[in-house]
Amino acid sequence: GAGVSQSPRYKVAKRGQDVALRCDPISGHVSLFWYQQALGQGPEFLTYFQNEAQLDKSGLPSDRFFAERPEGSVSTLKIQRTQQEDSAVYLCASSLYAAPNTEAFFGQGTRLTVV
Amino acid sequence: AQKITQTQPGMFVQEKEAVTLDCTYDTSDPSYGLFWYKQPSSGEMIFLIYQGSYDQQNATEGRYSLNFQKARKSANLVISASQLGDSAMYFCAMREGGTGNQFYFGTGTSLTVIP
Repeated sequence: GAGVSQSPRYKVAKRGQDVALRCDPISGHVSLFWYQQALGQGPEFLTYFQNEAQLDKSGLPSDRFFAERPEGSVSTLKIQRTQQEDSAVYLCASSLYAAPNTEAFFGQGTRLTVV
Repeated sequence: AQKITQTQPGMFVQEKEAVTLDCTYDTSDPSYGLFWYKQPSSGEMIFLIYQGSYDQQNATEGRYSLNFQKARKSANLVISASQLGDSAMYFCAMREGGTGNQFYFGTGTSLTVIP
């Protein structure tokens, strides 16, 4: 596709349920980012992939959060045993290069609501 | 210390007037990129403009320009001839050259264009 695609757009999970969020980056983009955005806040970094390598996972809030990008394209963010504080919009972004002069393109996000 | 600071939670501007959204940044990396994104109420993050740390001239993209003052570590966004469709959240972001592993975002400025 032409842009970054995320699915599902909306997810309602019962507390304690596991969820998986998918990101299809722009084809050929080396860098892939996951961000968490709470209502009225700026995006907060979760994790970064360069191709299939997860180079930075310093933003993952707990070991319940896990991300992968096994073939260097599609990525999945998994949250185990969801809690109410996990409710947020999860944004995926990709950029062509791993360089400071390269913009990131964002998907429309997955809005997760934990009830 | 915050990497990106946006001190204006909300701004109002009359249609067809110009408006400046403030952004200051903090880094010791000599190589970095500065970005502005627009986030309408629909939620997607739209890339607007980029400024590199070594760029001598201020970046411009249509009605958007970036007032880059390196010594003051500021990267203000100027929107000329405001339109109703400019009403949105605006985020300033930085990507450092050392690792390029993440974009640091500010807390955003909510811009409302008044007819």
